[in-house]
Amino acid sequence: AQSVTQPDIHITVSEGASLELRCNYSYGATPYLFWYVQSPGQGLQLLLKYFSGDTLVQGIKGFEAEFKRSQSSFNLRKPSVHWSDAAEYFCAVGGKGDQGNLIFGKGTKLSVKP
Amino acid sequence: DSGVTQTPKHLITATGQRVTLRCSPRSGDLSVYWYQQSLDQGLQFLIQYYNGEERAKGNILERFSAQQFPDLHSELNLSSLELGDSALYFCASSRDSGPQHFGDGTRLSIL
Repeated sequence: AQSVTQPDIHITVSEGASLELRCNYSYGATPYLFWYVQSPGQGLQLLLKYFSGDTLVQGIKGFEAEFKRSQSSFNLRKPSVHWSDAAEYFCAVGGKGDQGNLIFGKGTKLSVKP
Repeated sequence: DSGVTQTPKHLITATGQRVTLRCSPRSGDLSVYWYQQSLDQGLQFLIQYYNGEERAKGNILERFSAQQFPDLHSELNLSSLELGDSALYFCASSRDSGPQHFGDGTRLSIL
């Protein structure tokens, strides 16, 4: 079955600390992987995507993610968190472009302590 | 701003009623997707249209239907509404090999 697991429902980090959000997936075909961020009352904003090639991908707002096929993981990282990063983060797997829908994890809510 | 426009932003109605949610995709995007976000189910794919044709179907109830018009905008129709249909409904669009870009959603509240 196709699925995405985000094991951490809620994470709190101090401003300036590093961050890693975990994501594991199960997908039958070649996985195309995404991280989206949702601020309260807002839509989903694409942070980064992995289609192929270099397994370390850079995104917006200083985020990066590493694809590890052997571990079926696509963890999101940021070296230094800012208070404005407080939001909910969703990992997704699915089709590329017009080729299919996304399967989302349940999300990880990030709180940032001053 | 993702370029995907959804209207209305909020909708409050009663059980048994019918509503229509509208989505305008980004310029040039041929695919439109509808998702439902609820507290218990999370983000669930409902349906995809590509250039006016239904392409994929997810967990969409028979009471729900959608269509994509020649100008590529899409509408999601929800009928015989139940309390459990209260949710945030997102539209996303994509083109060629690009990722999906999401609108800000329509929050539907059933009283």
